[in-house]
Amino acid sequence: GESVGLHLPTLSVQEGDNSIINCAYSNSASDYFIWYKQESGKGPQFIIDIRSNMDKRQGQRVTVLLNKTVKHLSLQIAATQPGDSAVYFCAEIPGSSYKLIFGSGTRLLVRP
Amino acid sequence: DTGVSQDPRHKITKRGQNVTFRCDPISEHNRLYWYRQTLGQGPEFLTYFQNEAQLEKSRLLSDRFSAERPKGSFSTLEIQRTEQGDSAMYLCASRSGRTSEAEQFFGPGTRLTVL
Repeated sequence: GESVGLHLPTLSVQEGDNSIINCAYSNSASDYFIWYKQESGKGPQFIIDIRSNMDKRQGQRVTVLLNKTVKHLSLQIAATQPGDSAVYFCAEIPGSSYKLIFGSGTRLLVRP
Repeated sequence: DTGVSQDPRHKITKRGQNVTFRCDPISEHNRLYWYRQTLGQGPEFLTYFQNEAQLEKSRLLSDRFSAERPKGSFSTLEIQRTEQGDSAMYLCASRSGRTSEAEQFFGPGTRLTVL
C-alpha cells in the first residue's frame, strides 16, 4: 500500500552541526518526494522536493537525497540553526494523484 | 504567514453538533486541498478541488463530511454529528496550477475539539 515512514521520532543536534533526517517509503510509483517543515502552531511549510528520476537536489542549506534501490529519502541541513527546530515530514505524491501522503514526522531539536 | 487563512483557529463543540470551517486560499491559486492532522502524525489528505470542481475525495471523508468551493475561491468543510474521533487539526492548502503539485501552501489550521 501507500506509506511513508521515518526512522527516528526525535533528533537532537548542536547548533552549527549538520543534521540528517531519514525517511523510508514503500510506493515505488511516486513521482515526487518532498520534505516539509512544521513549526509549533503553524501549518507545514514546503522545503524541497525531488522528482523520482533524480537522486540528489540541493537548495539553500538543504540537500535531499533519493535512493530508489532501498526506497530511502534523506534531508541534510547544513550548519543547523535554532530556527531549524521543528518537526520535519517526508511526503510523496503517488503517480496520477494530486495529494501529499505524509509520514509521521521527526522532531529536530537544536541545542545552543 | 503563507497567505492562506483559516477560520476559526479553534473550535470546541459537543458530540453530535455540526461544525463548519472556512479556508481562504491565496487569491490566484485555483487548487485547494483539505487535510486532517492528529497529534504526532503527519497530515492526512481529505479532499482536493480544482477551481469549483471536487476532483478527489479520501476514504476518510465519511458521509458526515462535506466540502464545497462554490465559486472557486474560498472553501468550507462541514462535519455533521461530530464524534470525539473527529478531534484533530484541519488544514487547508492551496497552490497555483503553474507550480509543482509538491509545493502546497498551508494555512495555520483549525483545531477542533469534540467533547
